[in-house]
Amino acid sequence: NAGVTQTPKFRILKIGQSMTLQCAQDMNHNYMYWYRQDPGMGLKLIYYSVGAGITDKGEVPNGYNVSRSTTEDFPLRLELAAPSQTSVYFCASSTGGQPQHFGDGTRLSIL
Amino acid sequence: GENVEQHPSTLSVQEGDSAVIKCTYSDSASNYFPWYKQELGKGPQLIIDIRSNVGEKKDQRIAVTLNKTAKHFSLHITETQPEDSAVYFCAATTNDMRFGAGTRLTVKP
Repeated sequence: NAGVTQTPKFRILKIGQSMTLQCAQDMNHNYMYWYRQDPGMGLKLIYYSVGAGITDKGEVPNGYNVSRSTTEDFPLRLELAAPSQTSVYFCASSTGGQPQHFGDGTRLSIL
Repeated sequence: GENVEQHPSTLSVQEGDSAVIKCTYSDSASNYFPWYKQELGKGPQLIIDIRSNVGEKKDQRIAVTLNKTAKHFSLHITETQPEDSAVYFCAATTNDMRFGAGTRLTVKP
């Protein structure tokens, strides 16, 4: 049982580049979330989804976009990467309204 | 919005001792309080949670207490072991979940 799988694990981007962080879950969870974790800080919610075709903004959505075309996948898109987006990104899923299963993260550096 | 404060930021205990981590929250409407353990290079793992209609919950060596009047909740780990070393996060939930900044627990053998 893979749980929540995030790819890639590490990435270095140049300022202004774009990329998509991938997240997939095999638990048939309706709810999926994207968080960012900055050093010495707790997690902050970027976007979440309550089901395929439905997404909504979290606490820090600026500079990001998401889509949810299937139950399994919830990619996070960064357009025009900025140094402030250097962080560790976590995807999570759950059956209810609170995240219970996290992936192992994508460590992103923007130089 | 909700604001969650967590203390201490670092905690070092001897193996076999108890560890206590405390969190306070600001929104009295918060009704769900999970605790997560995060090991190096891994995502957070839910270890215990409590809802606002319960004052205490225990799972083997881990317990959580909630004081709604004072708006604080605590994680208690008894008989600590080296494998308990990790970063622990509390969170409080109203419409969304807000996390504390984390506590780095080190258990010395």
